[in-house]
Amino acid sequence: DQQVKQNSPSLSVQEGRISILNCDYTNSMFDYFLWYKKYPAEGPTFLISISSIKDKNEDGRFTVFLNKSAKHLSLHIVPSQPGDSAVYFCAASGRSGGSNYKLTFGKGTLLTVNP
Amino acid sequence: NAGVTQTPKFRVLKTGQSMTLLCAQDMNHEYMYWYRQDPGMGLRLIHYSVGEGTTAKGEVPDGYNVSRLKKQNFLLGLESAAPSQTSVYFCASSPLGTSGRTADTQYFGPGTRLTVL
Repeated sequence: DQQVKQNSPSLSVQEGRISILNCDYTNSMFDYFLWYKKYPAEGPTFLISISSIKDKNEDGRFTVFLNKSAKHLSLHIVPSQPGDSAVYFCAASGRSGGSNYKLTFGKGTLLTVNP
Repeated sequence: NAGVTQTPKFRVLKTGQSMTLLCAQDMNHEYMYWYRQDPGMGLRLIHYSVGEGTTAKGEVPDGYNVSRLKKQNFLLGLESAAPSQTSVYFCASSPLGTSGRTADTQYFGPGTRLTVL
């Protein structure tokens, strides 16, 4: 049973436009969410996170929105740049049973930003 | 500051052979993790450690063993490699969460690409 779902395997956008990557989760115990970015032949790198006590977190061109009632979060990239082309992973953690140090990852979305 | 390093970067094994993957971190992190990434499967946790001398099973632990004899190192062993273990393996670490949710943010190594024939 997949607890973190990224239903879009790929997304293609034009340079300068907005990229919106979506993520859904099923486990109500998740209370912290992260986005990671991964280039080919490299390890994932942390991008941005959000706690369940917030509904928005912004860092430069990147904004994460959290809708707890819908168990849905999204990553907005504005404006998109060709260097943003990568696989984006959504991840979640929860404090249930003291397991806040474990992350559950989605399958990833390949973003391609076309010049 | 090297962060998280992994050795080797690539390896080809024959079925039944054994090997050890080494992960080292220089950030004095308490927690360390081993993941595998397969096409269309995302990152799946194999084993993790919450401190020197401790290990625990993750989501897909079968066929793997781990050891954390030193705080900075986390070893992943394959005793008898199988073609199903062909994958890219990532090590990660995270700090002790003294405030906020710092322990939730994991820092990854560059990966080891393993092929089992």
